[in-house]
Amino acid sequence: AQTVTQSQPEMSVQEAETVTLSCTYDTSESDYYLFWYKQPPSRQMILVIRQEAYKQQNATENRFSVNFQKAAKSFSLKISDSQLGDAAMYFCAYRRLTQGGSEKLVFGKGTKLTVNP
Amino acid sequence: DAGVIQSPRHEVTEMGQEVTLRCKPISGHNSLFWYRQTMMRGLELLIYFNNNVPIDDSGMPEDRFSAKMPNASFSTLKIQPSEPRDSAVYFCASSPGTSGDYEQFFGPGTRLTVL
Repeated sequence: AQTVTQSQPEMSVQEAETVTLSCTYDTSESDYYLFWYKQPPSRQMILVIRQEAYKQQNATENRFSVNFQKAAKSFSLKISDSQLGDAAMYFCAYRRLTQGGSEKLVFGKGTKLTVNP
Repeated sequence: DAGVIQSPRHEVTEMGQEVTLRCKPISGHNSLFWYRQTMMRGLELLIYFNNNVPIDDSGMPEDRFSAKMPNASFSTLKIQPSEPRDSAVYFCASSPGTSGDYEQFFGPGTRLTVL
């Protein structure tokens, strides 16, 4: 079974600084997707960024980027120019690649990010 | 688009009572997921459906939990009888369900408290 591990229960960063959240996963599959979700106090789950395992190029979405190391099974999230609105729980998630239908997400336990003004 | 709709947003009930949580997926989405979030266990999948058919219910805790999807626009998660350890936030999510890269869209969640 696939597992996702986030080793940092809590992180903090100063506004405008950069922070990196760690995630490792375990799988025997060669093709899969990885995601970072943000959950602010409103509880809403918001997709931040996604990465296809077959793509070598790291995904980027504005201030958010990932460092995907497939051999090491590592998928870290870097937030640049941190803003107060970035404060939230961040969840790393894994999903198998299938030819049809859909597949469940396997989540890590989350990292609580605090942004200090 | 209204997004995934869940009701109720909050539910407080007493141990032993039946609880029904409801979900309306995004129109046109073929896959629907029920997740549960607790402090101890984090986010975990309970069950998911493709084209209204249950595909994986291995996450359903026990016989007290049941889920149905009678049509493409509605699903329920029922707990009978409820217990205090069922207290959690229950999320419904939907996705287009076709092959390729696609996102799961989450509803706002139902916070269940069992006294």
